[in-house]
Amino acid sequence: KQEVTQIPAALSVPEGENLVLNCSFTDSAIYNLQWFRQDPGKGLTSLLLIQSSQREQTSGRLNASLDKSSGRSTLYIAASQPGDSATYLCAGITSGTYKYIFGTGTRLKVLA
Amino acid sequence: NAGVTQTPKFRILKIGQSMTLQCTQDMNHNYMYWYRQDPGMGLKLIYYSVGAGITDKGEVPNGYNVSRSTTEDFPLRLELAAPSQTSVYFCASSYSGAGGGGGELFFGEGSRLTVL
Repeated sequence: KQEVTQIPAALSVPEGENLVLNCSFTDSAIYNLQWFRQDPGKGLTSLLLIQSSQREQTSGRLNASLDKSSGRSTLYIAASQPGDSATYLCAGITSGTYKYIFGTGTRLKVLA
Repeated sequence: NAGVTQTPKFRILKIGQSMTLQCTQDMNHNYMYWYRQDPGMGLKLIYYSVGAGITDKGEVPNGYNVSRSTTEDFPLRLELAAPSQTSVYFCASSYSGAGGGGGELFFGEGSRLTVL
């Protein structure tokens, strides 16, 4: 059974810091991996999708990578801002299945 | 292009009542999903569908039923509501990628359900 762990569970940093969020899967046969942002009381907003033939994706200050040999992904946020404060969730779909399985998220707070 | 639309946004049920959460998407996606999210937790998959007429159980299907008569619609039925079903429910959809597996996942805004 695929399980997803996100570390750390919570993080509080001063504005301007570069930071790394981690996501790991018990089954490393990940086909696609997606990172989401969720603001309190809101839905999920897609940030980055790493598809089967890719190893990383970049959007603005965000960079996500996937190491398929280990089943680990990292989300790098450069020059963090208070507006980045949210919960970040990763989700992966394992080869041969149709189900995206989610991690429990990292709650990020960026202090002004 | 509305994306994934869920109704209602909020609902309060009494124990034992039944209701249907509606989900529709206009992106011609063949994969659709229902998740629930409990406070401070990640998302748990309830049911999913890979096309019209095909549904399958996820991690936490007990107490729920689904149907998929059209590509666009994927309603979630709660029978005999229980306090343990108090949660936020999210519907999502994706287009099946080449070689199998799902493409980018798009979410609705969620339906907040309270069972008293």
